[in-house]
Amino acid sequence: AQSVSQHNHHVILSEAASLELGCNYSYGGTVNLFWYVQYPGQHLQLLLKYFSGDPLVKGIKGFEAEFIKSKFSFNLRKPSVQWSDTAEYFCAVYTGGFKTIFGAGTRLFVKA
Amino acid sequence: NAGVTQTPKFRVLKTGQSMTLLCAQDMNHEYMYWYRQDPGMGLRLIHYSVGEGTTAKGEVPDGYNVSRLKKQNFLLGLESAAPSQTSVYFCASSYSGLAGGTDTQYFGPGTRLTVL
Repeated sequence: AQSVSQHNHHVILSEAASLELGCNYSYGGTVNLFWYVQYPGQHLQLLLKYFSGDPLVKGIKGFEAEFIKSKFSFNLRKPSVQWSDTAEYFCAVYTGGFKTIFGAGTRLFVKA
Repeated sequence: NAGVTQTPKFRVLKTGQSMTLLCAQDMNHEYMYWYRQDPGMGLRLIHYSVGEGTTAKGEVPDGYNVSRLKKQNFLLGLESAAPSQTSVYFCASSYSGLAGGTDTQYFGPGTRLTVL
């Protein structure tokens, strides 16, 4: 079955620490990849997306993600987190036919 | 521009009761979706619509019905609520010039439903 795995359910970091959130998917076909973020009390919103081309994608607020096709991965990174990055992060994979598979989410807490 | 709004924000039902969740978007989007989110699981697609007057089943459609009578509104109905339907429900919409709804989805704030 198609699935998306996010390796960490909860991550706690101090400000200025580097962040990497893992995302792996199981689907052998062409995919479109997304990271969404939900800040406390706010809607889910798009952080970044990959459709084709350069596998290193840059998004808002200094986030980036790298698509590694051979590893079926789309990890999210940020070199230096801020307290305002505290949120829940969802990896999502579009496989076609209006089907977007979401990971379970990773809750990030950044200590000031 | 309100984006995607959902009504109500919270609701508690007794088993067997019925209710309708309303989703409205003011972005003129063609595609609309209903998801549910349960602890430890990702968002799962319940139903979706590719345009006014059309609906289709998603991954977990059982126990739910939907209607899209107007382009801006997408209603999710529970005819006879069950405790297994306790969840957070998210509505989303998207506009795509590409086939297949691959474009960015815009989400509502969610409705927290508890069925006792």
